[in-house]
Amino acid sequence: GQNIDQPTEMTATEGAIVQINCTYQTSGFNGLFWYQQHAGEAPTFLSYNVLDGLEEKGRFSSFLSRSKGYSYLLLKELQMKDSASYLCAVNQAGTALIFGKGTTLSVSS
Amino acid sequence: GAVVSQHPSRVICKSGTSVKIECRSLDFQATTMFWYRQFPKQSLMLMATSNEGSKATYEQGVEKDKFLINHASLTLSTLTVTSAHPEDSSFYICSARKGSSYNSPLHFGNGTRLTVT
Repeated sequence: GQNIDQPTEMTATEGAIVQINCTYQTSGFNGLFWYQQHAGEAPTFLSYNVLDGLEEKGRFSSFLSRSKGYSYLLLKELQMKDSASYLCAVNQAGTALIFGKGTTLSVSS
Repeated sequence: GAVVSQHPSRVICKSGTSVKIECRSLDFQATTMFWYRQFPKQSLMLMATSNEGSKATYEQGVEKDKFLINHASLTLSTLTVTSAHPEDSSFYICSARKGSSYNSPLHFGNGTRLTVT
């Protein structure tokens, strides 16, 4: 079967750093994506990892360990606008993405 | 700017009627588009893969006769919810990959909020 796990909710304060973890067990693997989704809106692409290691993009970084079936999204210098759901998604066979249930992040002042 | 356009953004219909949702790729051709459904506070669930010029591929548990998919051109896929019922009320989102590489991200339309009364 396939399984993608993320924490349901997380809270943090402005200016802090937060790490959102994702573990996966899928029948195939062609990379892992992170998306941000604000309520009632479509997901927007944040990052992609296919090789082990850290990918950095401004305030956002994403890490992958294929042997452990593990990824995390690191958000630095949190802002109120970062309050959203963060979706971990696995590309199984180069076509559609399979999504985890998402982590709702609440940033407070 | 947006690379995938979806219309309508909201629709309310009566039980038993049909609703058509359009998904267009802007400035690129998409031989494959993906339709997802999202219930409140749930993740995106893949419903089907729309293939230009051939039949769609449906995920297990998705009724192909209820959710009709047509991908008649390289820039347009449509999802028709037939004989809609209240339990079909959901957020429907289409997506497409711009670029042929498997590491190209999926770009999503803005979604359609369907409410069946």
